[in-house]
Amino acid sequence: DQQVKQNSPSLSVQEGRISILNCDYTNSMFDYFLWYKKYPAEGPTFLISISSIKDKNEDGRFTVFLNKSAKHLSLHIVPSQPGDSAVYFCAADHTQGGSEKLVFGKGTKLTVNP
Amino acid sequence: EPEVTQTPSHQVTQMGQEVILRCVPISNHLYFYWYRQILGQKVEFLVSFYNNEISEKSEIFDDQFSVERPDGSNFTLKIRSTKLEDSAMYFCASTQGRGLEPQHFGDGTRLSIL
Repeated sequence: DQQVKQNSPSLSVQEGRISILNCDYTNSMFDYFLWYKKYPAEGPTFLISISSIKDKNEDGRFTVFLNKSAKHLSLHIVPSQPGDSAVYFCAADHTQGGSEKLVFGKGTKLTVNP
Repeated sequence: EPEVTQTPSHQVTQMGQEVILRCVPISNHLYFYWYRQILGQKVEFLVSFYNNEISEKSEIFDDQFSVERPDGSNFTLKIRSTKLEDSAMYFCASTQGRGLEPQHFGDGTRLSIL
């Protein structure tokens, strides 16, 4: 089951630069997308979300872009900070269908170098 | 900020034994979830629970699994007769409502089956 794919297992950026994490999905019924951050030995922490009626949502240094026609979303972090180093998970939901389950990607490990 | 708390953080159990994982969701949340992550794999949905009933479950959630809200604060996952392949991180999550609302996760219980 590869409904949500994060094709880059890792990403390394310099402090102060932009981090771009990508996510693709195959199920066109998904209507709500979320990004979670996970540190070792902790649970996923909600970062930012976007509904399918929007193409952009911004919260401070974090912006999520959604391209429905391409079934692609991305998370931009700018400027990147060393504390952003974590595993980032993309997740999707089909809320209009009454589903309550999040479908996760495998995650991308972001390393921000000082 | 309110948190989902899970106990224990690590549980070691002999194969065939019963195990109960405990969660205290955020106090005003009404929807509760269990997910698991086998080492190196994706976070996978197990079950959702609302109004003292299972509202959705995955194919993983077979007869060996059960969930319960024994009182006003705890939400438990029981595995009746554990197998080696049940070894995983188990995450509890909760939301206040349904629809476009992020699930908030606990730090997980690492279950090791010997």
